[in-house]
Amino acid sequence: GNSVTQMEGPVTLSEEAFLTINCTYTATGYPSLFWYVQYPGEGLQLLLKATKADDKGSNKGFEATYRKETTSFHLEKGSVQVSDSAVYFCALSDPYTDKLIFGTGTRLQVFP
Amino acid sequence: DAGVIQSPRHEVTEMGQEVTLRCKPISGHDYLFWYRQTMMRGLELLIYFNNNVPIDDSGMPEDRFSAKMPNASFSTLKIQPSEPRDSAVYFCASSSQPGQDTGELFFGEGSRLTVL
Repeated sequence: GNSVTQMEGPVTLSEEAFLTINCTYTATGYPSLFWYVQYPGEGLQLLLKATKADDKGSNKGFEATYRKETTSFHLEKGSVQVSDSAVYFCALSDPYTDKLIFGTGTRLQVFP
Repeated sequence: DAGVIQSPRHEVTEMGQEVTLRCKPISGHDYLFWYRQTMMRGLELLIYFNNNVPIDDSGMPEDRFSAKMPNASFSTLKIQPSEPRDSAVYFCASSSQPGQDTGELFFGEGSRLTVL
């Protein structure tokens, strides 16, 4: 079945460090891929998305490229801020249903 | 614009009691999803509705859980009787087009349930 695997956290970084959070997926068909972010005490919100192979999603300095050959959608940011501290979820849309399948989430902690 | 509204934000109850969680989706959204979040299992899809009709309830853990959507602006998730292992944060999310092209779900702030 369709699934998403994320690197385990927490990821702990100093401000202005480079961030990578790995995400790989297993899917039949051609899913769309997403990154959602959850700030403390809040619900999830969409960060970025990519709908087909080689697409790059970007928002707020974060980027992720849909790599079909490696079935990956790694999240990157060149210089993190304390305000980026949150839990990040990789997700894919099941191309045959209306469901979003989420990974387990990766907690990011950024220290000044 | 109002987002997805959930109530209560926090609920503490004793084992065996009935719990009802409520959700008001964003107006115009045809899809409504109920998720449960725990440290052990992460984010689990419990059930989702399309145009008020339950489409997939395969994630509902057992018969103690039930969900309804009597109209386009209201849904409930009920647990009866509640057990300590039901303690979690329950999220409601709505969407107009959750599938291939958009996939954006709008989440509420969640209802944190503690069953003693």
